[in-house]
Amino acid sequence: GAGVSQSPSNKVTEKGKDVELRCDPISGHTALYWYRQSLGQGLEFLIYFQGNSAPDKSGLPSDRFSAERTGGSVSTLTIQRTQQEDSAVYLCASSPPLGLAGGNTGELFFGEGSRLTVL
Amino acid sequence: AQKVTQAQTEISVVEKEDVTLDCVYETRDTTYYLFWYKQPPSGELVFLIRRNSFDEQNEISGRYSWNFQKSTSSFNFTITASQVVDSAVYFCALSGAGGFKTIFGAGTRLFVKA
Repeated sequence: GAGVSQSPSNKVTEKGKDVELRCDPISGHTALYWYRQSLGQGLEFLIYFQGNSAPDKSGLPSDRFSAERTGGSVSTLTIQRTQQEDSAVYLCASSPPLGLAGGNTGELFFGEGSRLTVL
Repeated sequence: AQKVTQAQTEISVVEKEDVTLDCVYETRDTTYYLFWYKQPPSGELVFLIRRNSFDEQNEISGRYSWNFQKSTSSFNFTITASQVVDSAVYFCALSGAGGFKTIFGAGTRLFVKA
């Protein structure tokens, strides 16, 4: 498809289990972002990948959270030993490159999100 | 540190009224981008506008207009003659030069009643 694809769309898990959330960005987009949106809340920045540069992990809430981006394309967000407070919608977004200068345009194209419920 | 403040949590208007959504930002960068996004009830965030810090010209797109004022660090969004379909959560966002690490405000939920 042409848009950002996220899977699974819904995930229900038990406290203490690990989960993996996948994001397939728009082809050609060099930047990829993960955000978390709790019910009725704003978007909380988690992590940002830009090309081959080291990711900005400054938003990851704890060491239970990690993310990787393979081949500059698909990204996986992993949450280990899930807790109930991890329940939220996890949003992925990608952004097109800003020409040869590097960076990206900043215009984010969002996926539909992965809704995580931790029981 | 960067910060985006949307002080209005919820706004309710009647159709055809004009409504302004406020956004105040903080940044130490001299070059930055400001954005507005719309999140309709269906959930998927949609980009509305990007503004460069060196371009303070206001912009109008149909019923939408944006007022960027560096002097007050504000980037307000006005919907003229609101419609029920405008009901959504609107987010203001800020990123540094090159589009790095975009942060969002808490959002303003707009209800437009028929």
